Amino acid sequence: EAAVTQSPRNKVTVTGGNVTLSCRQTNSHNYMYWYRQDTGHGLRLIHYSYGAGNLQIGDVPDGYKATRTTQEDFFLLLELASPSQTSLYFCASSEELGGTQYFGPGTRLLVL
Amino acid sequence: GMPVEQNPPALSLYEGADSGLRCNFSTTMKSVQWFQQNHRGRLITLFYLAQGTKENGRLKSTFNSKERYSTLHIKDAQLEDSGTYFCAAEDTGNYKYVFGAGTRLKVIA
Repeated sequence: EAAVTQSPRNKVTVTGGNVTLSCRQTNSHNYMYWYRQDTGHGLRLIHYSYGAGNLQIGDVPDGYKATRTTQEDFFLLLELASPSQTSLYFCASSEELGGTQYFGPGTRLLVL
Repeated sequence: GMPVEQNPPALSLYEGADSGLRCNFSTTMKSVQWFQQNHRGRLITLFYLAQGTKENGRLKSTFNSKERYSTLHIKDAQLEDSGTYFCAAEDTGNYKYVFGAGTRLKVIA
């Protein structure tokens, strides 16, 4: 069974649209992460969290909010989507910061 | 420069061949992970190293923090090894992972 799941797997929205990406992990891990992957950049960290109610800013946070509602659930919010946010988004979890990370299957987002 | 540089950017290998991928770091890193991204986009964790060498089947990885590099060796390449390989290094300053841009590997029959 997949320990990190993401939904939706694909999403299309328009510029200015409101999008929520969901991630759930059943690893009982403390840390969860949101990354975006773009050609030529590898993965870049948007936000991360070390527990319910906590949020830490990553390296490319502009235009994104996130919320960790429970140990298992971490959401990425795009309140005014822009075409520059078209990307492949990955969620990951780890027991500790800097430990082995386990990734979800990814969500492809297209902003028209 | 980029904190994590991966080489080569792309690589083609015949089935059965051996090859190596390398990541160089601009600063001392605490640990490194290697991932394979398959044709469906799924990221598979291959190795986590805080130091030294690890082997798993046909794969072997080394991390030398002092010399600021890590390598991933693939032995007897198979078609299913095709994909993009990423290294991600843990920054000792802030404990976050910084990813390389990846090596696109194509294994040819």
